[in-house]
Amino acid sequence: DIQMTQSPSSLSASVGDRVTITCRASLPINRYLNWYQHKPGKAPKVLIYGAFNLQSGVPSRFSGNGSGTDFALTISSLQPEDFATYYCQQCYSTQYTFGQGTKLDIK
Amino acid sequence: EVQLVESGGGLIQPGGSLRLSCVVSGFTVSSNYLNWVRQAPGKGLEWVSVIYSGGTTYYADSVKGRFTVSRDTAKNTLYLQMNSLRGEDTAVYYCARGTRTDGYNYFDYWGQGTLVTVSS
Repeated sequence: DIQMTQSPSSLSASVGDRVTITCRASLPINRYLNWYQHKPGKAPKVLIYGAFNLQSGVPSRFSGNGSGTDFALTISSLQPEDFATYYCQQCYSTQYTFGQGTKLDIK
Repeated sequence: EVQLVESGGGLIQPGGSLRLSCVVSGFTVSSNYLNWVRQAPGKGLEWVSVIYSGGTTYYADSVKGRFTVSRDTAKNTLYLQMNSLRGEDTAVYYCARGTRTDGYNYFDYWGQGTLVTVSS
């Protein structure tokens, strides 16, 4: 199995801040890496697929980069609606494992 | 409009069985690959299983041999048969549609989830 490790596990930030969340795969996964946002009581929402492709309708303040084993999600200027938990997911192997999540809350 | 609606969750004793359903609309269960993903209380998302359009299935090691994913094309419904349930299977279970764009797979539509509680 490919293990996905995110850091940090939690992060406190303010509206307007630039934040970066990282994700490391236990094996190289090319660019087969997705990012999701999840709010309590809601369905998860895909933000980025293929490491850097912005899903339709997702604000451009979200961006992704990386390849191989190291990836990052950046939010350029935090908005109130961005406080949520973020997950990376590998789609290189058929066991589509997620990272453990990064909870982003208001400082 | 694409929708996925899960049902079938509830309280079940350890060792028991339960079948979850996910009724889909706006697409057919045989046209996309479909997944089950769960979230235990206070924990993160865990991928559980997938069924591809051709019928091939895969499972997480944590459920292999106990859970079975299937679909009914006439009812446009995805199922997850869960046997030999354990306390650690307690979670909200989501169904999620998989799609492929530019060669990359991802889950673009999700249901709202159904809660399974395994407890005596």
